[in-house]
Amino acid sequence: NAGVTQTPKFQVLKTGQSMTLQCAQDMNHNSMYWYRQDPGMGLRLIYYSASEGTTDKGEVPNGYNVSRLNKREFSLRLESAAPSQTSVYFCASSEALLIRTEAFFGQGTRLTVV
Amino acid sequence: SQQGEEDPQALSIQEGENATMNCSYKTSINNLQWYRQNSGRGLVHLILIRSNEREKHSGRLRVTLDTSKKSSSLLITASRAADTASYFCATDEGGSEKLVFGKGTKLTVNP
Repeated sequence: NAGVTQTPKFQVLKTGQSMTLQCAQDMNHNSMYWYRQDPGMGLRLIYYSASEGTTDKGEVPNGYNVSRLNKREFSLRLESAAPSQTSVYFCASSEALLIRTEAFFGQGTRLTVV
Repeated sequence: SQQGEEDPQALSIQEGENATMNCSYKTSINNLQWYRQNSGRGLVHLILIRSNEREKHSGRLRVTLDTSKKSSSLLITASRAADTASYFCATDEGGSEKLVFGKGTKLTVNP
């Protein structure tokens, strides 16, 4: 099983450009998550989707939008990239709500905004 | 705001020694989880402990949970160089759907 797959692995954007980070899981999980990781800050939740058709804001949603395209796929869009969005982005999924089960993580997308 | 806070921020030990990391959190929880992250990689789940459990073991890992103190500890016994990684605790904030992470403890095990 591939688990959680994120694309791309690396990306450099210019300020103001837009892009979409893709995430897909093949474990038939209901819940999916987007986090960003910055040095010394741990992981901060951007958006999550508890089930297909629903999305909710996390700690740091400003500047991002998400789409839960179907049960497998959860994308994160930066409409107008800013240098403050330079970070490593992780997608995760879990079978049910995370109050019950473990999360599986992708390998991350390293984004640099110049 | 972040729920879990790990302590210490960094820990350096010799191979064979035990490593203890602590996590404190702010609100009530349904469960607490520990994850490991090797440099530049995604997080890997280690262990989940529910709020009605006090201790849990998995191989060389031992996790304790004290809900009255809102704290947890992760003990790695007989550490190996391969245990070098960052370790994060994560909780559901007030029993919500979110999983909120702390800032992590960076463990270095010297051969």
